[in-house]
Amino acid sequence: GAVVSQHPSRVICKSGTSVKIECRSLDFQATTMFWYRQFPKQSLMLMATSNEGSKATYEQGVEKDKFLINHASLTLSTLTVTSAHPEDSSFYICSANTGTQLPSGNTIYFGEGSWLTVV
Amino acid sequence: GENVEQHPSTLSVQEGDSAVIKCTYSDSASNYFPWYKQELGKRPQLIIDIRSNVGEKKDQRIAVTLNKTAKHFSLHITETQPEDSAVYFCAASLSRNKLTFGTGTQLKVEL
Repeated sequence: GAVVSQHPSRVICKSGTSVKIECRSLDFQATTMFWYRQFPKQSLMLMATSNEGSKATYEQGVEKDKFLINHASLTLSTLTVTSAHPEDSSFYICSANTGTQLPSGNTIYFGEGSWLTVV
Repeated sequence: GENVEQHPSTLSVQEGDSAVIKCTYSDSASNYFPWYKQELGKRPQLIIDIRSNVGEKKDQRIAVTLNKTAKHFSLHITETQPEDSAVYFCAASLSRNKLTFGTGTQLKVEL
């Protein structure tokens, strides 16, 4: 079964509005989660590191005020795309490492990903 | 930070032939190198990985080699099948946390 769950899988929003994407760790606690963005036919690019109970760490070139990350619990990180524009349309995906909490041991798992379309 | 280059960007092989994809990385501190297969619109699927203390790892038709000195690693797929057609990404990481991905290789296995 899924170890990292992401929701929604697809979302369409109007330009100027905000949209929230959730990433949950199932059956393990994730003090750190990672958010990636993938434009069509391109690679996955790390946007930010989500840290439970503290501020996220953003990669160079990623606007922290536009991509709000909240990691308020050990099993949930959220990415909010604020004032979305068509150029923000992309595949957003999260990941987390299970450490030693699951039999799989120190394994990176990805969420299902979320397709965002801004119209 | 880490930078990962991947070649080729596209690769077409005949069914049954071998396919090789190569990656280089820049940060000598990276110690974990996974390979992912990704189908359109889906999450990356780990197909094989290697740690920096190992030079080669094999899993059935798939193998990965790592040259730490040269900072490059390669994916080898033997006896390719049509279902191997997909986009493949290499990645580099320190201690299996954040990943720096290569640019991807579109593999097409032709009948």
